[in-house]
Amino acid sequence: QKEVEQNSGPLSVPEGAIASLNCTYSDRGSQSFFWYRQYSGKSPELIMFIYSNGDKEDGRFTAQLNKASQYVSLLIRDSQPSDSATYLCAVNRGGGTASKLTFGTGTRLQVTL
Amino acid sequence: GAGVSQSPSNKVTEKGKDVELRCDPISGHTALYWYRQSLGQGLEFLIYFQGNSAPDKSGLPSDRFSAERTGGSVSTLTIQRTQQEDSAVYLCASSLGVAGNQPQHFGDGTRLSIL
Repeated sequence: QKEVEQNSGPLSVPEGAIASLNCTYSDRGSQSFFWYRQYSGKSPELIMFIYSNGDKEDGRFTAQLNKASQYVSLLIRDSQPSDSATYLCAVNRGGGTASKLTFGTGTRLQVTL
Repeated sequence: GAGVSQSPSNKVTEKGKDVELRCDPISGHTALYWYRQSLGQGLEFLIYFQGNSAPDKSGLPSDRFSAERTGGSVSTLTIQRTQQEDSAVYLCASSLGVAGNQPQHFGDGTRLSIL
């Protein structure tokens, strides 16, 4: 079992729709959860992070965390073609040397016109 | 402000040669991380530096890999006697502190190709 699992996609959504990206993790000691966006040939760019159960909203993005179910998701409202990218879920076990990130392999999102 | 800076952006070398990759973190960031991303793979942790503490080398795949961080700033990742399986994008990230919720910011990476 991979430590961080994501559906590789592609996830195709029409422009203006809500895109829902999901991630599960196996380590119950995971403390913090990050979503990065990566355009083809580019480096990962931080979108959001969350470390408490519940929802966290930032503009068109909402991160949702359920530690009991070991599940974290990212919702993108009013999806735009510029949102087309690979979305990486990453987790860590806390601070210090535990702050190193474990990444999923990413979900490729395609927003269609 | 300036982000994480990595050089070179691309490196092509022959199998068996040594390579050095450089990372200059965001000013004021005390933690520095190296990851690599192979084609079709997720990012894989390599090594972590924080201040004057001993680095966490638990992700280095073999003793051909080493890294140092001088003066708490610039870091160099060295790969000796390169092999074809070392071909990947090597990414450096830095964060403001060592709390687990401190986000890591990535450089543009070095694309390493071993012929």
